[in-house]
Amino acid sequence: DGGITQSPKYLFRKEGQNVTLSCEQNLNHDAMYWYRQDPGQGLRLIYYSQIVNDFQKGDIAEGYSVSREKKESFPLTVTSAQKNPTAFYLCASRPPGLSYEQYFGPGTRLTVT
Amino acid sequence: GDSVTQMEGPVTLSEEAFLTINCTYTATGYPSLFWYVQYPGEGLQLLLKATKADDKGSNKGFEATYRKETTSFHLEKGSVQVSDSAVYFCALSDVAGGTSYGKLTFGQGTILTVHP
Repeated sequence: DGGITQSPKYLFRKEGQNVTLSCEQNLNHDAMYWYRQDPGQGLRLIYYSQIVNDFQKGDIAEGYSVSREKKESFPLTVTSAQKNPTAFYLCASRPPGLSYEQYFGPGTRLTVT
Repeated sequence: GDSVTQMEGPVTLSEEAFLTINCTYTATGYPSLFWYVQYPGEGLQLLLKATKADDKGSNKGFEATYRKETTSFHLEKGSVQVSDSAVYFCALSDVAGGTSYGKLTFGQGTILTVHP
């Protein structure tokens, strides 16, 4: 079955540590996105990538970094510079062409203490 | 910039009641509009979409019509079930001159609880 996988589902880290969240898709989509979700709020765009080896900052990129070395993979690193890293992180991808809907993975809940 | 405003929740209904969740938007150009649903602890699932004015998206008994004159995309369902309890997000895509990178702008979400 095609889809987007994110791992792990729950992640716990101590303050000051960097942590990398995994996102893999086998949908053959070029465009991939990372969003952050906080309680009672909509999703906010962190980074996006339209093609391998290219990515752009979204609305809240500070304290985050990404890479896109393979079409299937778009990992997100939450660095120690991110002031409030505890959140639910969602990865998404978009089919090619003029269809603008995005398909989401199951999410990773990161807790930093 | 683009924005989406949803009616504030939470919304609590009895089974078989009629559902409306209001959504209005502000955008330049001609956005595509979406409703997503999120069940507890899960990612978002696309519920329905509309890509141009007067289009009606529908799925699983839910409907929404793209109203350009009122910049609205209200979600409706004639008879809700307990299993419809979830968070519903209205969203739009930025489509500007064919150079869009497909960013979605989301409303804040509306929590729906349906009681038996």
